[in-house]
Amino acid sequence: NAGVTQTPKFRVLKTGQSMTLLCAQDMNHEYMYWYRQDPGMGLRLIHYSVGEGTTAKGEVPDGYNVSRLKKQNFLLGLESAAPSQTSVYFCASSYSGQATKTQYFGPGTRLLVL
Amino acid sequence: GQQVMQIPQYQHVQEGEDFTTYCNSSTTLSNIQWYKQRPGGHPVFLIQLVKSGEVKKQKRLTFQFGEAKKNSSLHITATQTTDVGTYFCAGPPTSGTYKYIFGTGTRLKVLA
Repeated sequence: NAGVTQTPKFRVLKTGQSMTLLCAQDMNHEYMYWYRQDPGMGLRLIHYSVGEGTTAKGEVPDGYNVSRLKKQNFLLGLESAAPSQTSVYFCASSYSGQATKTQYFGPGTRLLVL
Repeated sequence: GQQVMQIPQYQHVQEGEDFTTYCNSSTTLSNIQWYKQRPGGHPVFLIQLVKSGEVKKQKRLTFQFGEAKKNSSLHITATQTTDVGTYFCAGPPTSGTYKYIFGTGTRLKVLA
């Protein structure tokens, strides 16, 4: 099992460019999450999904869109990147059938917006 | 909206000393999770507490959930260099939701 993988690992964008971050999990988890991590601010939830075809807003959804067309994939899109979106992005997944909703995190994507 | 603060933000300890981080939520939590993130790594799940006043131990780590379910603590006894990292608490404000709000984290450095 690869667990949770994220693509790409690192990316540099210019202001106004668009990109998609891909998260894939092979654990058959229903729930998936996108977080951003900035120094001194911990992890902030961007969007999450409780199942294929469903998405919901987290704490900081503005400027991002997501899609969950397949259960194993959760895509995070930036339509027009801004310097304020420079951050480390983590994807996570969890299993609905457990009482303990352990979140399994991917290795992260470092994004720099110039 | 819900806010989850952790104190201290940073802590340097000598190897062998004890360490405690405190997590305080502005709203009642249905449960609380703790994660550890090594430098350059990703968060790794440590434990989940659900009941008011619950205490759980994992070797040298002791986790406590407050009676009002608005605060929690993580205590490490006799720290080791392997304990280095940032410790986060996280919790959903409402039972049945999976919208976890993470604390600001406490970065621990252990000096050998």
